[in-house]
Amino acid sequence: ETGVTQSPTHLIKTRGQQVTLRCSSQSGHNTVSWYQQALGQGPQFIFQYYREEENGRGNFPPRFSGLQFPNYSSELNVNALELDDSALYLCASSYRQGRFLPLNTEAFFGQGTRLTVV
Amino acid sequence: AQTVTQSQPEMSVQEAETVTLSCTYDTSENNYYLFWYKQPPSRQMILVIRQEAYKQQNATENRFSVNFQKAAKSFSLKISDSQLGDTAMYFCAFDGAAGNKLTFGGGTRVLVKP
Repeated sequence: ETGVTQSPTHLIKTRGQQVTLRCSSQSGHNTVSWYQQALGQGPQFIFQYYREEENGRGNFPPRFSGLQFPNYSSELNVNALELDDSALYLCASSYRQGRFLPLNTEAFFGQGTRLTVV
Repeated sequence: AQTVTQSQPEMSVQEAETVTLSCTYDTSENNYYLFWYKQPPSRQMILVIRQEAYKQQNATENRFSVNFQKAAKSFSLKISDSQLGDTAMYFCAFDGAAGNKLTFGGGTRVLVKP
């Protein structure tokens, strides 16, 4: 167990709907990253939050948005769901000493949320 | 942009034997980090081993070791004395000096046979 908890574990949504996925980071960690893993592929970076601010974003449209809270937990929101959004969504928590300092600590992953869009 | 390529979709190995997984990457950065992650059916990504690019010595963690060839941009993983619990997807990943995102390869499925 990594101490990183994601909820829910499974979710079925209809195309066009909105969804919110949640991630509780490991105690002492201040950074959360989100990844999308389509079936049979490697994870793709969505974005990272450091101390409640976005700190890097991958090639995803604006309908993918996020939040990080003062306790460093995080949410991933996806609006106007499309069939291609069906995937495993992973969050990873880590600690970094500063926004522009290298991340030299291990990132711990949660077990993911399996989202199915029908 | 960085890319990570794993050319072996699937590998099988007999229990107690050795298997080597290949990974190549492309980057213009000089300082970076490389990782191998294991993803069992439980879906949770588990860090297997990590290599800092500025270190010439290859990383080793128990039965897992890497062969890091910086000039060739190659980063292979050797699993020695394979165990049934090693059965999983293995992903090679790259993180630049900024450390704000992991770029993953497509994965290699490893099946350890009794």
